[in-house]
This record gives sequence, structure tokens and C-alpha cells, in this order.
Amino acid sequence: DAGITQSPRHKVTETGTPVTLRCHQTENHRYMYWYRQDPGHGLRLIHYSYGVKDTDKGEVSDGYSVSRSKTEDFLLTLESATSSQTSVYFCAIREDRVSGYTFGSGTRLTVV
Amino acid sequence: GESVGLHLPTLSVQEGDNSIINCAYSNSASDYFIWYKQESGKGPQFIIDIRSNMDKRQGQRVTVLLNKTVKHLSLQIAATQPGDSAVYFCAENQGNAGNMLTFGGGTRLMVKP
Repeated sequence: DAGITQSPRHKVTETGTPVTLRCHQTENHRYMYWYRQDPGHGLRLIHYSYGVKDTDKGEVSDGYSVSRSKTEDFLLTLESATSSQTSVYFCAIREDRVSGYTFGSGTRLTVV
Repeated sequence: GESVGLHLPTLSVQEGDNSIINCAYSNSASDYFIWYKQESGKGPQFIIDIRSNMDKRQGQRVTVLLNKTVKHLSLQIAATQPGDSAVYFCAENQGNAGNMLTFGGGTRLMVKP
């Protein structure tokens, strides 16, 4: 999607290993979000950021951490991956409170 | 592509007919609403938005209606095409600290040729 990229697009990892997903934006937007999407649960917020080094938890933050050392990058880390973290992960950016999100294309993570 | 939701409400329409997708939102203080379209294997895409001081907004082939009295949002798609087949989500801006949107569960639109 224009202005926002996620990497990798697909990843298979083993239970217990650390995993980092990257979200990169070129829009200079202040707000960045990580969601996971699972059948029957819709989009659920994991963590969000409202500026460099300013982050907070969402509704499903257990087992995840984030970092934002630069405006353009928002990293999501699974410290020790579990099978329950198999999901599609979406990053989103937002300019301000009266604009919508722009979503990335997603990362499909499989934990085996 | 990935399955967005195995148990989503589904609307099935004939190509060329009009589609209406409904959404009930939760917070009477929400001031901004958005409809997203998600095709299989892709991220959600912005379709149209509306602020709470409006009750109707039109785009190209799409219209969003807002009824604040009953906290209801609808998306109307005119002359539905096979390319409109997707999952549609509504989202509301509740004015929380992180400026997060709250998403509805989604409706799957299937267009029959």
C-alpha cells in the first residue's frame, strides 16, 4: 500500500523463538498501530504508538512488545512465539483524529 | 488468500443490484466513522468516511448514511459489481487517548454474476 510497507509478508517460525515484524511508513504520520486479525475475532489492537518512543498497550498485548525509535519505523516483537500467535498482522498509520487508517498489506505469521 | 472471518454475516446480491451493508456502532460520543473494504489476502482499504455533523455522504457508487439517534451506519453500493465482493468493516472514532478506531465485526458481500 502507498506509503506503508510491512516485512516480511510471510513467515514460519518455531514455538519459543523470537520474531520481529517491521512496519515502515514514508508519510511522516504520528500514529502507528499493530493489529492482529483472526477468524471470528476481527481486528484486534495489540499496541500503538503516538510518537517516537511513545507507545501503549492495546487489548491483546500479552506476549508482544513494540519499539519506535524513528517516526517511520514501528517494530512488533514476539518475545517467545506461541501457536496462539499464528495470525495475520496488520500495521496501520494515521495522520490525525479526523482521518482514517492506512493499512499495510499484512504479515502472515505461522508458529509451528 | 487468508480467510478474514469464517462466521461473518454474509450478504449475497446479484450483479447490477444495489447493496446495503449495515453497522451498529457502540459509542454515542463517536465523532467520525469510516467504511473499509478488505479483499482476500489484502489489507483493509478506505472506502468512504463521514463526520458526526453529517447524515449522508456520497462517493463514487457508494453512499454512507449515519443515524445518530439509533447509532446506525450504513453503506450503500450502487450497481454492485463482482469486484465489490469483499468483507466490509465499519469503524468509529471514539476520541480515546490513542486516537484508535474501533472496528465492527465485518460483513461479507458476495456478488453473483
